[in-house]
Amino acid sequence: QQPVQSPQAVILREGEDAVINCSSSKALYSVHWYRQKHGEAPVFLMILLKGGEQKGHEKISASFNEKKQQSSLYLTASQLSYSGTYFCGTDSEMNTGFQKLVFGTGTRLLVSP
Amino acid sequence: NAGVTQTPKFQVLKTGQSMTLQCAQDMNHEYMSWYRQDPGMGLRLIHYSVGAGITDQGEVPNGYNVSRSTTEDFPLRLLSAAPSQTSVYFCASSYSGLTEAFFGQGTRLTVV
Repeated sequence: QQPVQSPQAVILREGEDAVINCSSSKALYSVHWYRQKHGEAPVFLMILLKGGEQKGHEKISASFNEKKQQSSLYLTASQLSYSGTYFCGTDSEMNTGFQKLVFGTGTRLLVSP
Repeated sequence: NAGVTQTPKFQVLKTGQSMTLQCAQDMNHEYMSWYRQDPGMGLRLIHYSVGAGITDQGEVPNGYNVSRSTTEDFPLRLLSAAPSQTSVYFCASSYSGLTEAFFGQGTRLTVV
């Protein structure tokens, strides 16, 4: 079942923070985050595993709450380059991962000067 | 290092025609997948492979065939194109299921 992302869209000014949520109705083993700019291929951000720690990548970090079956992506001090559509992909089977991901419908983020 | 290469980038087909979308990777990845992306639908998995000779169906496999005779190549065949198959198709590869996946640049397919 497809995870639900919220919000569907967000507009920020440069320097502002944002949180994107990804919720599933199933127990999760891993959550994968990707960003896609218009007309381009999705690009990997990070993977969070069940029982793992919060991950970070420069000013983008994410958490994984197993009990709530959700993950959140945190964008701090946003830059113009952060604009794009953010997708979470979830897998609910042990020992699978990317090859069985179900992606959400995406969150469109626009950062303006 | 080319990464994941998809060809063609654009294609227009008539209803009922068949064609093959090509995908090749030079990273020696075992895992490869095909996705279609439609407006408002996100990425939906068509077929995937976890190694040469091993393929399986994803969420939306009807109307598509795949094979994996080598580690490098994972072609997607449309058997009899339908307008509902108009979409952007992405191929992706990864070292394992829990590592970074690399996507090709996509094939924009229109079926008229």
